[in-house]
Amino acid sequence: EPEVTQTPSHQVTQMGQEVILRCVPISNHLYFYWYRQILGQKVEFLVSFYNNEISEKSEIFDDQFSVERPDGSNFTLKIRSTKLEDSAMYFCASSLDRGNAEAFFGQGTRLTVV
Amino acid sequence: DQQVKQNSPSLSVQEGRISILNCDYTNSMFDYFLWYKKYPAEGPTFLISISSIKDKNEDGRFTVFLNKSAKHLSLHIVPSQPGDSAVYFCAASVGGAQKLVFGQGTRLTINP
Repeated sequence: EPEVTQTPSHQVTQMGQEVILRCVPISNHLYFYWYRQILGQKVEFLVSFYNNEISEKSEIFDDQFSVERPDGSNFTLKIRSTKLEDSAMYFCASSLDRGNAEAFFGQGTRLTVV
Repeated sequence: DQQVKQNSPSLSVQEGRISILNCDYTNSMFDYFLWYKKYPAEGPTFLISISSIKDKNEDGRFTVFLNKSAKHLSLHIVPSQPGDSAVYFCAASVGGAQKLVFGQGTRLTINP
């Protein structure tokens, strides 16, 4: 069964450093997303991406964050200068279509900022 | 942001019985609702969804009920199995899956 894969599974970084989280969405999917879950809190939407551009972003997704689809398969989330409060599980997801289409999630990357 | 609420943080059910997980929402613009299951150290796994034009959707042991007037949905699992033990999230969106708003989750434990 096709699945969304994320690397690395766990990333530890020093405050102020840049991190790139990687995702390979399901191959025929067109919409890509990043969500995050801070420990003990809800899963929160960060950004959606379609046709090589951001289609929607939340207030969390400020100038420190960026997304890119550098080739036909990868979808990345970059955090330019990490803060302690960026520590969370980051989930990538993809969906085939926009209307009434379920999003399939990857297993997540646990980001720890120290 | 309390647009989607799951008021029960945990639920314990005996194997073979029915599990009922509840979810309330406040945004009347939501038109699509989903349930996800999550095991530790894994991402959410899609279970079942329902459009606002329906009031019930069934898939095997899983049935989702939507009461638009009460802004309430529920997930019924029958019969409950040990493998159903997980955290269950309800989620809602406007106009499809572009942005999902999640509830806090309910931890379901199925006891043998």
